[in-house]
Amino acid sequence: EAEVAQSPRYKITEKSQAVAFWCDPISGHATLYWYRQILGQGPELLVQFQDESVVDDSQLPKDRFSAERLKGVDSTLKIQPAELGDSAMYLCASSWGSGANVLTFGAGSRLTVL
Amino acid sequence: AQSVTQPDIHITVSEGASLELRCNYSYGATPYLFWYVQSPGQGLQLLLKYFSGDTLVQGIKGFEAEFKRSQSSFNLRKPSVHWSDAAEYFCAYNAGNNRKLIWGLGTSLAVNP
Repeated sequence: EAEVAQSPRYKITEKSQAVAFWCDPISGHATLYWYRQILGQGPELLVQFQDESVVDDSQLPKDRFSAERLKGVDSTLKIQPAELGDSAMYLCASSWGSGANVLTFGAGSRLTVL
Repeated sequence: AQSVTQPDIHITVSEGASLELRCNYSYGATPYLFWYVQSPGQGLQLLLKYFSGDTLVQGIKGFEAEFKRSQSSFNLRKPSVHWSDAAEYFCAYNAGNNRKLIWGLGTSLAVNP
């Protein structure tokens, strides 16, 4: 069964450092999502791509977070500088299209900022 | 504003007992509804979805859910819970027209042996 690949699975960093997460969606999935999930809460959408274009980044803290999907396939989410409050699970998901589609999630990247 | 409510933050059941997790959504004449499960430290896995048609939908791992438009609900059920069902369960909905997926806060399920 096709999977969404994410790396690294775990990342520990000190505040003010830079950190990056990578996601490879299911082949053929045009829509890619980055979510942040704080322990005990539901997922919060950070950014949504349709192919290589950003269609929703309204909740992305743009002063420190950036995301790209240059060739419309894999994607990178970067945080610089990391803050203590960024400690969370970062989930990548993909789907065939946007709107009412089934999202397939990766295993996530757990970030701890010290 | 669109919202999803999962009234139960935490539920504990005994293995073999039946289970019902509640979910209510706030808006949308024809919502698209989902239940996802998340094991500790893992991503989310789709259990089942409702788009249209039969209001009782079957999912993986023996789960089912019933869409009740009059109650704006989409409750998840399982007749006999297994210890491996212990996890976090999230309800989500999309009101259509390319609107974003709205998530509940989740219900944590513990299973006693």
